[in-house]
This record gives sequence, structure tokens and C-alpha cells, in this order.
Amino acid sequence: TQLLEQSPQFLSIQEGENLTVYCNSSSVFSSLQWYRQEPGEGPVLLVTVVTGGEVKKLKRLTFQFGDARKDSSLHITAAQPGDTGLYLCAGYGSGNTGKLIFGQGTTLQVKP
Amino acid sequence: GAVVSQHPSRVICKSGTSVKIECRSLDFQATTMFWYRQFPKQSLMLMATSNEGSKATYEQGVEKDKFLINHASLTLSTLTVTSAHPEDSSFYICSALGQGMTDTQYFGPGTRLTVL
Repeated sequence: TQLLEQSPQFLSIQEGENLTVYCNSSSVFSSLQWYRQEPGEGPVLLVTVVTGGEVKKLKRLTFQFGDARKDSSLHITAAQPGDTGLYLCAGYGSGNTGKLIFGQGTTLQVKP
Repeated sequence: GAVVSQHPSRVICKSGTSVKIECRSLDFQATTMFWYRQFPKQSLMLMATSNEGSKATYEQGVEKDKFLINHASLTLSTLTVTSAHPEDSSFYICSALGQGMTDTQYFGPGTRLTVL
């Protein structure tokens, strides 16, 4: 069974601080996706990483895909209250079923 | 971008009644739709995979007779929670995978179900 272990599950920081969220697996994924979800809304796709070692940047967010394509990280620089939300990593399972496997999620609270 | 809608966004019902939630792909045809359940501050839990014109495939532990899924067209899937009970209260989210759209699921905004 393919699993994605996401950590930390909860993070409360002050505005301006940096943070990193990790997403790890013992299985290889063809790609990993990161989503952000606000309360009462559906997840919104932030980025998809496909190539081992790939780094993608989205303003203050930096996403990395491990060389072996088993792990990924999300780094936020100078966090702002607007970054508050639930961050989810997800990858497609084997067998081409189209099913997404989700990590446990990281609830981020950025205090002003 | 591809848009997926859900209706209703919120529903409150009495215990024992049935509730239908609709999931629509607005600007693309979705061969496959997925239904998820989510508890507060937790991740999404896949309930079932819905393929147009065929029976849904349910994940282990999900009661197919309680959560009826119908995918009658390429733009509409419905989830009916039958004989709802308070423990069915949750946030239900659908996603859609379009024809020829590889590796991208588009999520709906979710439906908050509260069973009294």
C-alpha cells in the first residue's frame, strides 16, 4: 500500500517566520501535487512536481521533489497570515486508477 | 481552468432522511469523478470512484448501500446519503478527471452536511 507521511500535522508560527512541510513515502511516485485548502472550501492545486530533483517556486513558496521521487517538501519564506490553511500533498497511486493518495495534511496558522 | 461545482454547499437534515449532493464539471467532460469525505482539520478520505455509465467502485469500509453514487452523464455525478445519521455529518468533496486531462483532478468546493 502506498502511503504519504506528511509532517508536521500542526504548525503555529508568527508572521515573517519561515517554515517547511515534509511529505515522505517509501514508494516512488510519478508525480506529487501540493494543495492548499481553506475552511469550508475545496482543495486548490498549488503545484505539481514531476521530475526527480525538481524545484518549483510560486512567489514565497518553494516546492522540491526528491531525487528518488519518494519525497517532497514545501518551504514558505516570510509567512503571512494569508498563508493560513490546510496544506495537503498527494500523489497518484500505482495501477493508473486515477486515485490520489493524500498525506495527512498540515494545518498552518500564521499569527499577525 | 476547469471548474467543478457542487450543490448544495450546505445542507441540514433530520436523522433518517436522505440527502442528495450533486457534482458537476462545468466546462469539461469528466469520465471519472471521485467522492471524498473530510473531518475537521483532517485530510481527504476517498469514498468511491465514479465512472460514467458504470457502477461506482467503493473503498474498503464504505457502505455502498448507504452512500449511493450515480454518474449518469459526463458532467454530473450524484452522491445520495441514505437514512442519514448524525455520524454522517461531514464535509463531502468531489473531484473530476477529464477526458484527455492526465494527472489533474479538479476539486469541487465541497458540501457541508449536518444531520440533526
